[in-house]
Amino acid sequence: GAGVSQSPRYKVAKRGQDVALRCDPISGHVSLFWYQQALGQGPEFLTYFQNEAQLDKSGLPSDRFFAERPEGSVSTLKIQRTQQEDSAVYLCASSSPRDGTQYFGPGTRLTVL
Amino acid sequence: AQKVTQAQTEISVVEKEDVTLDCVYETRDTTYYLFWYKQPPSGELVFLIRRNSFDEQNEISGRYSWNFQKSTSSFNFTITASQVVDSAVYFCALSGISQGAQKLVFGQGTRLTINP
Repeated sequence: GAGVSQSPRYKVAKRGQDVALRCDPISGHVSLFWYQQALGQGPEFLTYFQNEAQLDKSGLPSDRFFAERPEGSVSTLKIQRTQQEDSAVYLCASSSPRDGTQYFGPGTRLTVL
Repeated sequence: AQKVTQAQTEISVVEKEDVTLDCVYETRDTTYYLFWYKQPPSGELVFLIRRNSFDEQNEISGRYSWNFQKSTSSFNFTITASQVVDSAVYFCALSGISQGAQKLVFGQGTRLTINP
């Protein structure tokens, strides 16, 4: 596809469940970012990959959050033992080294009951 | 630390009015990028513009224009002759420009409603 895709678009989880959110970046984009957007707020940085290397995970809120990009393309954000405060939209973005501009996917809206 | 402030939480205007969205930033970097993104009700962040800190020339793209003033650390966005389709949440963002990609620091956003 031409843009960044994310799946699922919506996820409802019971408190304590594990979830996995997928991001498919724009083909050829080596940089991939995850952001968390709480209701009514701006997105906040979670983690960043360059190819398969996770170069910055300073924004991950707890050790329940884990991200991977094993082959330098698709990335998965995993949240273990979900809590109500994890409810948010999770946005993925990718960029090319030539441009540097981040292009965003549609996001996954996670609701933890 | 980097910070972006969008003091206007919500703005509502009637169609065809001009509207300006304010953005003020803080950074210790001497070079940086500034961005504006649009988030329509569908939720996807749509890239509008990127400005480099050493290029203070204002930019116009159709009904959109951006005013970058380094002296006041502001990067304001004006929509001329607004249309209903401009209704969205608009985010201003800041990133560094060192080697490798840089994370974006976003403001809180301004919800713009254009009434017919």
